[in-house]
Amino acid sequence: GQNIDQPTEMTATEGAIVQINCTYQTSGFNGLFWYQQHAGEAPTFLSYNVLDGLEEKGRFSSFLSRSKGYSYLLLKELQMKDSASYLCAVIGGGSYIPTFGRGTSLIVHP
Amino acid sequence: GAVVSQHPSRVICKSGTSVKIECRSLDFQATTMFWYRQFPKQSLMLMATSNEGSKATYEQGVEKDKFLINHASLTLSTLTVTSAHPEDSSFYICSARIERRNEQFFGPGTRLTVL
Repeated sequence: GQNIDQPTEMTATEGAIVQINCTYQTSGFNGLFWYQQHAGEAPTFLSYNVLDGLEEKGRFSSFLSRSKGYSYLLLKELQMKDSASYLCAVIGGGSYIPTFGRGTSLIVHP
Repeated sequence: GAVVSQHPSRVICKSGTSVKIECRSLDFQATTMFWYRQFPKQSLMLMATSNEGSKATYEQGVEKDKFLINHASLTLSTLTVTSAHPEDSSFYICSARIERRNEQFFGPGTRLTVL
């Protein structure tokens, strides 16, 4: 199976930048997802990394280092609506089904 | 594109009754759908993988006779929680996978409350 570790909770100020880290251990790595989930709603897709490096998409960027088993999600120009849980999910171990981390609850305050 | 719907969005039922949840891929065909359960402040836990036209594959610890899954067509999978009990109260989410792509598209979820 996969072990996925991410911080439980983070707080940040509106307009600031925040980085949410995710470390994982798996054999046969085949991709890493980041999802955003607001309370009581289903996850929505943010990014998918399979190669090393930084993928930028608007205010959100995702970075992957396969050799270090490490990824981060970078959120810029934080808005109040960015308050949500951010889930890191990894595909590996010969399966195409992602395993989800426990999620990082981000609280953005004025 | 790639929209997945779930029905109902919220259901409250009495203990001992059965509840059916539908998951539909609206604009694509999904040979594989997944059912997840999420308890408050917990991550998504995969319950089963549903393949069109064949039996579902259940994760360890998930009772297949209690959580009946049917994937009758390429756009519809159903999860029936039989003889529901209060401990089954949870947020149930389905997702669908497009063939040859790793990305999953999630439905909006169903909040089940068993009294």
